[in-house]
Amino acid sequence: EPEVTQTPSHQVTQMGQEVILRCVPISNHLYFYWYRQILGQKVEFLVSFYNNEISEKSEIFDDQFSVERPDGSNFTLKIRSTKLEDSAMYFCAIEGQGHSGNTIYFGEGSWLTVV
Amino acid sequence: QKEVEQDPGPLSVPEGAIVSLNCTYSNSAFQYFMWYRQYSRKGPELLMYTYSSGNKEDGRFTAQVDKSSKYISLFIRDSQPSDSATYLCAMSPNDYKLSFGAGTTVTVRA
Repeated sequence: EPEVTQTPSHQVTQMGQEVILRCVPISNHLYFYWYRQILGQKVEFLVSFYNNEISEKSEIFDDQFSVERPDGSNFTLKIRSTKLEDSAMYFCAIEGQGHSGNTIYFGEGSWLTVV
Repeated sequence: QKEVEQDPGPLSVPEGAIVSLNCTYSNSAFQYFMWYRQYSRKGPELLMYTYSSGNKEDGRFTAQVDKSSKYISLFIRDSQPSDSATYLCAMSPNDYKLSFGAGTTVTVRA
């Protein structure tokens, strides 16, 4: 099963600050995704990224958010001018071939708290 | 109508019992159906993945998809206390943009 490492595991930031969440897949992947889960709510799709471009994004993924793969390895989610409602678990995901087929595998998540 | 509906529970069963989980959905374009297990403040862990209708079995887990009824199920046989977790159904028309259910919290009592 593909592995995805996310950093930081937990970050506390002040409202209005910028946050960068990082994702490092263990092996080469072309497709990357970010999902988010507000405490007590559903996991929600944010954005898909393929070949260094956004291929699809949700309504949540507005101008406050951006993604990039700056060094060909790390995949980052940047949140500008954070708001209290951005507090959530952010999951990086990759598409990979595993025991259950070719589907989406999630990292352990980065827990963001905006105060 | 919500796109994916899942009873949040909680569901409590004795060790060894069969756990039965299900989700309904409204989007007939969904073709890919997954079940994930999630522990508190951890990432979803893929358990089962099914394309289109049918049954799939993997060890103690059985997933069923009935597209005509827009209904999917997950059964866990011989449940163990280590199966205590939140179980998420997820589905998609294209295998990457997943729509999740709210998750069902399961406790298996020793």
